[in-house]
Amino acid sequence: SQQGEEDPQALSIQEGENATMNCSYKTSINNLQWYRQNSGRGLVHLILIRSNEREKHSGRLRVTLDTSKKSSSLLITASRAADTASYFCATVLYSGNTPLVFGKGTRLSVIA
Amino acid sequence: EPEVTQTPSHQVTQMGQEVILRCVPISNHLYFYWYRQILGQKVEFLVSFYNNEISEKSEIFDDQFSVERPDGSNFTLKIRSTKLEDSAMYFCAGRPGLAGDQTIQYFGAGTRLSVL
Repeated sequence: SQQGEEDPQALSIQEGENATMNCSYKTSINNLQWYRQNSGRGLVHLILIRSNEREKHSGRLRVTLDTSKKSSSLLITASRAADTASYFCATVLYSGNTPLVFGKGTRLSVIA
Repeated sequence: EPEVTQTPSHQVTQMGQEVILRCVPISNHLYFYWYRQILGQKVEFLVSFYNNEISEKSEIFDDQFSVERPDGSNFTLKIRSTKLEDSAMYFCAGRPGLAGDQTIQYFGAGTRLSVL
């Protein structure tokens, strides 16, 4: 089954605007993480939110988690051209040696 | 800041040839992973490795794939007889522990494998 499906698939905004990306998943999780991938590069961890948390902030990033709806959102405020990248949510199903389960990602383009 | 190093950055091979993709994880990490990403698609889990043995593998990780950590430093992924559909970016990742923030994985920049 699919886990961590993001929407939209692509998002184009002007510099200074906010960008919101959503992620849905199907099974119970231990935590949910967001990663960023610049074109042709590796993934970089952005933020982790635990299943008992509802909201978390890190700099210009705000993540919410709604376990009843099995969904999460990533908000990037005051976007910059350098935020242009693909953003993936990844779920951790349980505490233990479990792999990340990635969604298809959202391609964000921030136009200067 | 320590980082995960993958070599080569790009590997071109003929169908049917063996390839070995190499990774040097961060030194204090204990759990290691290989993922792949076919162009334009999601990142898919291949295999996890702990204490010198495979912990979990996906359906993709068939008998053509193997992993090892021969010297406590390098972590390698071998594909014995490559197929066209093995063309993808292969990412190595590691993490220090199991709980909480230790579930965050640290990725290498990837090896782009092109099978001709």
